[in-house]
Amino acid sequence: GQNIDQPTEMTATEGAIVQINCTYQTSGFNGLFWYQQHAGEAPTFLSYNVLDGLEEKGRFSSFLSRSKGYSYLLLKELQMKDSASYLCAVRDSNYQLIWGAGTKLIIKP
Amino acid sequence: NAGVTQTPKFQVLKTGQSMTLQCAQDMNHEYMSWYRQDPGMGLRLIHYSVGAGITDQGEVPNGYNVSRSTTEDFPLRLLSAAPSQTSVYFCASSPFDGSGANVLTFGAGSRLTVL
Repeated sequence: GQNIDQPTEMTATEGAIVQINCTYQTSGFNGLFWYQQHAGEAPTFLSYNVLDGLEEKGRFSSFLSRSKGYSYLLLKELQMKDSASYLCAVRDSNYQLIWGAGTKLIIKP
Repeated sequence: NAGVTQTPKFQVLKTGQSMTLQCAQDMNHEYMSWYRQDPGMGLRLIHYSVGAGITDQGEVPNGYNVSRSTTEDFPLRLLSAAPSQTSVYFCASSPFDGSGANVLTFGAGSRLTVL
């Protein structure tokens, strides 16, 4: 079966750095997405990786290793507004998105 | 530019009732989809469409119908509501380049409770 694993919850301190991991086992691979979802709101797109390596976008970076079935989202200089759930999704061989359950990130002052 | 508009935001139904969740987008996106989101689970695809007149089933289609008569609109119909359909529903759209869904734009969500 297809599976995406993320930690359920993480806590970090304002101004610090946090890494959210995502491991996947899917039928084929055609890209990995990270979305951010604030409580009670819709998911919004953060990043996309299809080749191995690091993609940097401001305070957020995303890394992919296809051979290990592994990705992480790195958030630097954490702000209170970064408190949200972070969703990992993989596009499989049928080009359908398989979603992880999300990681709830709690930022403390 | 409104993006993806979903209505209603909240709805309470009794078991056996039917209803339609509306979804409209103004970005001329070919691909539209409906997801449900339940606590502790990832988003699950209900139905999707790659263009007007074309629909297909996702992972959890039972109990739901869709139609796509125009590029803009993609309503989701619950035929006979059951408590298991209590969930938050999201409509999402994206451009479609033939290789699959690209970056999704989500509507604000519809919270449905079935008693």
